[in-house]
Amino acid sequence: DVKVTQSSRYLVKRTGEKVFLECVQDMDHENMFWYRQDPGLGLRLIYFSYDVKMKEKGDIPEGYSVSREKKERFSLILESASTNQTSMYLCASTRGADTQYFGPGTRLTVL
Amino acid sequence: AQRVTQPEKLLSVFKGAPVELKCNYSYSGSPELFWYVQYSRQRLQLLLRHISRESIKGFTADLNKGETSFHLKKPFAQEEDSAMYYCALNPLGTYKYIFGTGTRLKVLA
Repeated sequence: DVKVTQSSRYLVKRTGEKVFLECVQDMDHENMFWYRQDPGLGLRLIYFSYDVKMKEKGDIPEGYSVSREKKERFSLILESASTNQTSMYLCASTRGADTQYFGPGTRLTVL
Repeated sequence: AQRVTQPEKLLSVFKGAPVELKCNYSYSGSPELFWYVQYSRQRLQLLLRHISRESIKGFTADLNKGETSFHLKKPFAQEEDSAMYYCALNPLGTYKYIFGTGTRLKVLA
C-alpha cells in the first residue's frame, strides 16, 4: 500500500518567514507533485518533479521553490511567506502517468 | 487550452435518489480521465479512472468524446457518499494532471 506522508498537518507562520514543507513516499515513484487546494479553485499544481534533481513549474509557481535531492523526498519551500499563501498543501506521487497517491495535506496559515 | 470544468460547486440529493456529478473537459487528444474523492478528514484518493471501466462503490463514469464529458453517476445515493469529488485530466505524454474545481456532494437522510 502506497504511503505518502507530509511533515506537518498544521503549520502557523508569520509573514516573511521561510517555510519548508516536506513530503516522503515509500513506493519508489518517479513523479512527485505539490498542489494547493483552495475552496472554489480546486487543486492547482505548483511544481512537479519527474526525477531526482529534476523539476518543472506547474500553473502557480510564483513565490515557491522545490527541492528533490532523494527519490523519496520532495520539499516545497516558501522563501518569504505571505498571507495569500495561506492554504491547504497536498503532496502526491505517481509511477508514470498512473494514479496519483496523495498525502494527508498540510494546512498552512500565514499571519 | 486544456481545462476541466465541474459546473456544480454543491449538489444535494436525498438518500436513495440518483446522482450525477458533471465533468466536461477541453483537450484535443485522447484523454486519460479520473475521478478522485475526498471524504471528511481523509486524504484525496482515486475513485475510478475511465480506462479501467470499473464500478467502484456503485459509481460509474462513461467517457463521451462527442460531448467531451466524463460524468460520474450512481443510481441510489447513500449517506456515506457525502464527500468532495474532483474530476481530473491527464493529457497523454505529460505528468501535468489538470483538476476541476470540485463538487461537494451532500446526501440527505
